[in-house]
Amino acid sequence: KQEVTQIPAALSVPEGENLVLNCSFTDSAIYNLQWFRQDPGKGLTSLLLIQSSQREQTSGRLNASLDKSSGRSTLYIAASQPGDSATYLCAVPGGNTDKLIFGTGTRLQVFP
Amino acid sequence: EPEVTQTPSHQVTQMGQEVILRCVPISNHLYFYWYRQILGQKVEFLVSFYNNEISEKSEIFDDQFSVERPDGSNFTLKIRSTKLEDSAMYFCASIVDRGLGELFFGEGSRLTVL
Repeated sequence: KQEVTQIPAALSVPEGENLVLNCSFTDSAIYNLQWFRQDPGKGLTSLLLIQSSQREQTSGRLNASLDKSSGRSTLYIAASQPGDSATYLCAVPGGNTDKLIFGTGTRLQVFP
Repeated sequence: EPEVTQTPSHQVTQMGQEVILRCVPISNHLYFYWYRQILGQKVEFLVSFYNNEISEKSEIFDDQFSVERPDGSNFTLKIRSTKLEDSAMYFCASIVDRGLGELFFGEGSRLTVL
């Protein structure tokens, strides 16, 4: 059964810092991994999708890496800004299905 | 930019009442989903829907739940007789095709059962 863990659970940093958020999953037989952002009381916004054949994806100040064999992904946020404050979720397909299994998220606060 | 839209944004209902949550997926998407998130907990899969039928459902999706695509655009989740524990944020999502591209979520419908 696929399980997804995210570390740290919460992070508070000053503006301008570079950050690394971690995601680990127990079943490495995934075909992709997706990172989402969730603002309080809001929906999920897709940030990056990494296919299993890829090792990295970049979008602006965000860079996500995937190491399937070790069951890990990291989300790197460069030069953090207060507007980056949100909860970041990673999700992987559960087994040979298209349903996503989510982690509990990392709650990020970036202060000025 | 195309988006998944959900209504209502918030619904308050009495225990035992029926609730219908509505979603309009992105127009060229083929797979549709409902997820839910109880306050402070993980986002959980409820059901996936393709070609006018359920393709997969979770243990949460019992006989009290049903989904329907009544026309070419709407996708609904019905809870027949709500329980207190059904209070959650319900998210609709869609994807162009299974395993391809990103899953896009709506803003959610917050259901409060009293």
